[in-house]
Amino acid sequence: AQSVTQLDSHVSVSEGTPVLLRCNYSSSYSPSLFWYVQHPNKGLQLLLKYTSAATLVKGINGFEAEFKKSETSFHLTKPSAHMSDAAEYFCVGGYQKVTFGTGTKLQVIP
Amino acid sequence: DAGVIQSPRHEVTEMGQEVTLRCKPISGHNSLFWYRQTMMRGLELLIYFNNNVPIDDSGMPEDRFSAKMPNASFSTLKIQPSEPRDSAVYFCASTLNGWGLGNTDTQYFGPGTRLTVL
Repeated sequence: AQSVTQLDSHVSVSEGTPVLLRCNYSSSYSPSLFWYVQHPNKGLQLLLKYTSAATLVKGINGFEAEFKKSETSFHLTKPSAHMSDAAEYFCVGGYQKVTFGTGTKLQVIP
Repeated sequence: DAGVIQSPRHEVTEMGQEVTLRCKPISGHNSLFWYRQTMMRGLELLIYFNNNVPIDDSGMPEDRFSAKMPNASFSTLKIQPSEPRDSAVYFCASTLNGWGLGNTDTQYFGPGTRLTVL
């Protein structure tokens, strides 16, 4: 069985401060893991993807995520939040099946 | 590439009517996914096709929902009869290859169809 858990439904940061969105996974096998972003009234856009080539994955717009097998985590980070980062973020995992996390809404305060 | 194309973008209908949502995947992609997104339930996978064949339809809520993929460039999701609880945003996504044992391609999402059933 596999599952993806996003630990926070809402995160609020000030503009210019670091962003941390947390995701834990559960899988019997090494999964592929993704982060997607969804801006209001838009479809989902891929931020980054992990497929075991490297544990630290760099994505678009300054985001990166680190795969930590010992902690079964794949947290998304960004050093400095921008107003345009305000959106909903989905952690997605899969080995045999697509599994979406429940999403984290990121609010950026000016 | 135009990306995944969905139509219509918005649909408002009355309870009991038939609704058909359409999707054109990215050219050359072999797998297609239909999702439903609501505030209450989040993003749910409804059905997944690989090479035009339905692989996993365990997410289809009930018999009122049906999906077809007659060829590699077109898929439909039909709801008949529609009910107010079907109101949601329906997304279509495609991948170059399928999801399966050890193969997990990036999904490319369409802009979605916002369905409102009155």
